[in-house]
Amino acid sequence: AQSVTQLGSHVSVSEGALVLLRCNYSSSVPPYLFWYVQYPNQGLQLLLKYTTGATLVKGINGFEAEFKKSETSFHLTKPSAHMSDAAEYFCAVSEGQAGTALIFGKGTTLSVSS
Amino acid sequence: DVKVTQSSRYLVKRTGEKVFLECVQDMDHENMFWYRQDPGLGLRLIYFSYDVKMKEKGDIPEGYSVSREKKERFSLILESASTNQTSMYLCASSRGQATNEKLFFGSGTQLSVL
Repeated sequence: AQSVTQLGSHVSVSEGALVLLRCNYSSSVPPYLFWYVQYPNQGLQLLLKYTTGATLVKGINGFEAEFKKSETSFHLTKPSAHMSDAAEYFCAVSEGQAGTALIFGKGTTLSVSS
Repeated sequence: DVKVTQSSRYLVKRTGEKVFLECVQDMDHENMFWYRQDPGLGLRLIYFSYDVKMKEKGDIPEGYSVSREKKERFSLILESASTNQTSMYLCASSRGQATNEKLFFGSGTQLSVL
């Protein structure tokens, strides 16, 4: 069965600093990997996803993530944090087969200070 | 854009009551999901359905059941509500049979069981 571990339940950065949110996964088959974001008092929305092909994936709002099979990781980065990036971020994994579902990590809350 | 509508934003029920949470999507999606979101625990999958009248247990199905009589509607049922079912419940949908597709989430139902 697949699983996701997000390292760090809370990450704090200064505005303009690098954002790095860590995600490691476990899967018995080549995984599909996702990052979702939840802004305060809003629903979850997709930031980016990796299915096949290029291992560096670009998403919305300047975020990107790199699939590293050897490290079983899918870390989320953004070169320069903005105040509006403050939110909760969820990494998720799927084995992609019919009749299966997305499994989420416990989430990382990103705080951005001025 | 796809709309996933959850019938109530806030719900207060008493211990032992039977509770129905309704979810409707308007884009003819095959897959529908129920998650619960708790602080520090992330999103946990309760049940999902990949076709009408089909259902699959997720990671925490105990105390819950579901119904999918029509493609657009997926109901979550708490047979006898308990205080440990106080939580935010999120419904989601996606198209197709594979799970590499984007999930569209509803705004959530905050359920309090007293």
